[in-house]
Amino acid sequence: SAVISQKPSRDICQRGTSLTIQCQVDSQVTMMFWYRQQPGQSLTLIATANQGSEATYESGFVIDKFPISRPNLTFSTLTVSNMSPEDSSIYLCSAQNNEQFFGPGTRLTVL
Amino acid sequence: GQQLNQSPQSMFIQEGEDVSMNCTSSSIFNTWLWYKQDPGEGPVLLIALYKAGELTSNGRLTAQFGITRKDSFLNISASIPSDVGIYFCAGAGGGNKLTFGTGTQLKVEL
Repeated sequence: SAVISQKPSRDICQRGTSLTIQCQVDSQVTMMFWYRQQPGQSLTLIATANQGSEATYESGFVIDKFPISRPNLTFSTLTVSNMSPEDSSIYLCSAQNNEQFFGPGTRLTVL
Repeated sequence: GQQLNQSPQSMFIQEGEDVSMNCTSSSIFNTWLWYKQDPGEGPVLLIALYKAGELTSNGRLTAQFGITRKDSFLNISASIPSDVGIYFCAGAGGGNKLTFGTGTQLKVEL
């Protein structure tokens, strides 16, 4: 299994600002994904991070709000732009060759 | 987006009891996965199932891929306090994207 780390682990941000979350995998992986998990809820896929090309977004999520980069096979970033309190959530990255493994998450609170 | 229905939503059990939870979908999936999430952590993969009818064990955990490909169940035998947490099923269709279940919160009484 892949070991996945995320930075920051948590943050408290002001409304209208942006936060970039980093995801690092300890080995090359085919696929990387970003999920959102609102308090007490299940996981919802935001987008697939494609290496060297634009991410593929799920319904309800757009690139302007959640720009994603994936410059290589071990690293990806998710930016939460122009934040509002509704963006308070846990953001999780995952990586997959065969099975999908998850990072520890970034707990974001927007005031 | 679509979510899979898990039941029960939560359960209180006595240490040593067996636990059963299931997951149902209106869509067919090619892969079923079961994850456990502890507070403040990401989900940890427990069992992966790839074939309809498949029954797979991992220690005290046993999971089955339903024959209709629209459901799966997870059994935990002889529960212990560290089994506490939230259990999620997840299904994958033709691609790699996972659809997650609503979760089952397990609480164990000593």
